[in-house]
Amino acid sequence: QVQLLESGPGLVKPSGTLSLTCTVSGTSINNNHWSWIRQTAGEGLEWLGRIDSGGTTDYNPSLKSRVIMSIDTSESRFSLKLSSVTAADTAVYYCARFVTNAFDIWGQGTMVTVSS
Amino acid sequence: QSALTQPASVSGSPGQSITISCTGTSSNVGYSVLVSWYQLHPGKAPKLMIYETNKRPSGVSNRFSGSKSGNTASLTISGLQAGDEADYYCCTFAAGRTYVFGTGTKVAVL
Repeated sequence: QVQLLESGPGLVKPSGTLSLTCTVSGTSINNNHWSWIRQTAGEGLEWLGRIDSGGTTDYNPSLKSRVIMSIDTSESRFSLKLSSVTAADTAVYYCARFVTNAFDIWGQGTMVTVSS
Repeated sequence: QSALTQPASVSGSPGQSITISCTGTSSNVGYSVLVSWYQLHPGKAPKLMIYETNKRPSGVSNRFSGSKSGNTASLTISGLQAGDEADYYCCTFAAGRTYVFGTGTKVAVL
């Protein structure tokens, strides 16, 4: 079955860059759109952006200046970089597949804490 | 885009029906038919329950249904079961090529 697995450091220092990777298995990474979504404590879910297999991106305007997404189709994975992080970026980060106008498959999520 | 407004909690007894509302504006919910709903259980991957306002993915019980009127979308769970106890979030495509989620609703089965 389709599986997404997030990986990356669980602790990032303030003003640093958060870097996560999502590895896709059970389906082709090609011809799909892929997103990053986060859940902050008490704040609910927030869409960060999406990338297609050609590398075209759309970012949440509220984070646009700090977010970069990339994709490596040969390794079946896509990545998120969020720069200049603060405590407000502490969250569970999910990757998800976007198809039929919804996020139909999600990873289990990975907790990232911003702290010195 | 601000988060869509959902009630913080909704509860019901087993077998009852409950409805979760998701209120936005003409720039998001009212702008699009692309409303989706997600179920979140702690420690598990979120699950898509409804897409394109009222469509159910394969494998989702027909006890879950979605609708929309104006700037408000709704998720109805009929025949409430203990396993339905979870957090539920709505989501829609919004003007500016962005996606916005609701504030989330905790469903409790009494």
